[in-house]
Amino acid sequence: AQSVTQLDSHVSVSEGTPVLLRCNYSSSYSPSLFWYVQHPNKGLQLLLKYTSAATLVKGINGFEAEFKKSETSFHLTKPSAHMSDAAEYFCVVGGGYSTLTFGKGTMLLVSP
Amino acid sequence: DAGVIQSPRHEVTEMGQEVTLRCKPISGHDYLFWYRQTMMRGLELLIYFNNNVPIDDSGMPEDRFSAKMPNASFSTLKIQPSEPRDSAVYFCASSPRQADNEQFFGPGTRLTVL
Repeated sequence: AQSVTQLDSHVSVSEGTPVLLRCNYSSSYSPSLFWYVQHPNKGLQLLLKYTSAATLVKGINGFEAEFKKSETSFHLTKPSAHMSDAAEYFCVVGGGYSTLTFGKGTMLLVSP
Repeated sequence: DAGVIQSPRHEVTEMGQEVTLRCKPISGHDYLFWYRQTMMRGLELLIYFNNNVPIDDSGMPEDRFSAKMPNASFSTLKIQPSEPRDSAVYFCASSPRQADNEQFFGPGTRLTVL
């Protein structure tokens, strides 16, 4: 069994400030973890993925996430937000040959 | 690669009509997934196929929904008859390996049932 919890439904930041989107997971297996981004009226795009290699994963557009097994967390960060980062972000867990489990999403709002 | 292709991108229909959504997965991908996204329920997995065979359709809401994959390059999701509560964005995704690996999403079909 697996589950994922995104701790914030909305996060607001100012342009140029750091971004932190929080995610906790639960899995009976060694998990695969993903972050997807969805811009308005678009499909979901893969930002980055963790599959038991390096615990710090770098993705596209300056995003990165750190896998912390002891905390069962996979938080997404970016040092400096850009207006184009405004979107919905989904934390996703997979493993054990079952299908992916998606979080409920975090809406990132970026103000000038 | 063109990515996952879905058609139509938008569909407006009246209650009771049949609706067919289409998907072309990325060539070489063995898995195909159909999702539904609404504000109230978020992203829901409806059904997925492996090598054209339906593996799990437990997410299909009711008998009005059906999905087929006649070959490796084409799948349909049909709603007959459609109801206003079926209004949502329907996504198709494909994956090259096992079901728990990364999935590549299409742009979605926005369905409105009046």
